[in-house]
Amino acid sequence: DAGVIQSPRHEVTEMGQEVTLRCKPISGHNSLFWYRQTMMRGLELLIYFNNNVPIDDSGMPEDRFSAKMPNASFSTLKIQPSEPRDSAVYFCASRPTGKGKKLFFGSGTQLSVL
Amino acid sequence: QKEVEQNSGPLSVPEGAIASLNCTYSDRGSQSFFWYRQYSGKSPELIMFIYSNGDKEDGRFTAQLNKASQYVSLLIRDSQPSDSATYLCAGIKAAGNKLTFGGGTRVLVKP
Repeated sequence: DAGVIQSPRHEVTEMGQEVTLRCKPISGHNSLFWYRQTMMRGLELLIYFNNNVPIDDSGMPEDRFSAKMPNASFSTLKIQPSEPRDSAVYFCASRPTGKGKKLFFGSGTQLSVL
Repeated sequence: QKEVEQNSGPLSVPEGAIASLNCTYSDRGSQSFFWYRQYSGKSPELIMFIYSNGDKEDGRFTAQLNKASQYVSLLIRDSQPSDSATYLCAGIKAAGNKLTFGGGTRVLVKP
């Protein structure tokens, strides 16, 4: 099993540019999560999907952030326009539904907005 | 108040000793709890989960849950330098699918 695959691993961009982060969940996992991690705020849930449908996007900081899951094997998180305060590590994670089911994380995308 | 609270540390432990990590949660609807370990620059990896009151042991790790007092703990026995990492506590509601993480406790095991 390849695990949760995220790309790119690192992204450096300038303020105002559009950033797109990509995620491929583990096959058979029907829940997908996008988290953001910073030193100040820790690991924060941005949005999660069940069966490709967005269930809770209350953690999305503002309208500059959007996420899609067009099919069971692919999701994107887009920031447009990006700002320096968006600099963080963005993790995608997936899990099957059910009690005690494990959440598996991807390797993360280190985003730096200059 | 954050839903899941942890002492940020660092918790400094001599090699071979027991490291004791604590986590408190505010939402009584939280039913299951998870401990993740995160090495610097890496993604979190699951160590243990617990959903019943009491203790659960797995190798050198023991998770403890007390729902009446709303706390979860993790004990690491015979601590090794390789246990040096940040440990994240997370909770999830019974009918929910969303894990809420604490800020993490940094553990440093000194040889």
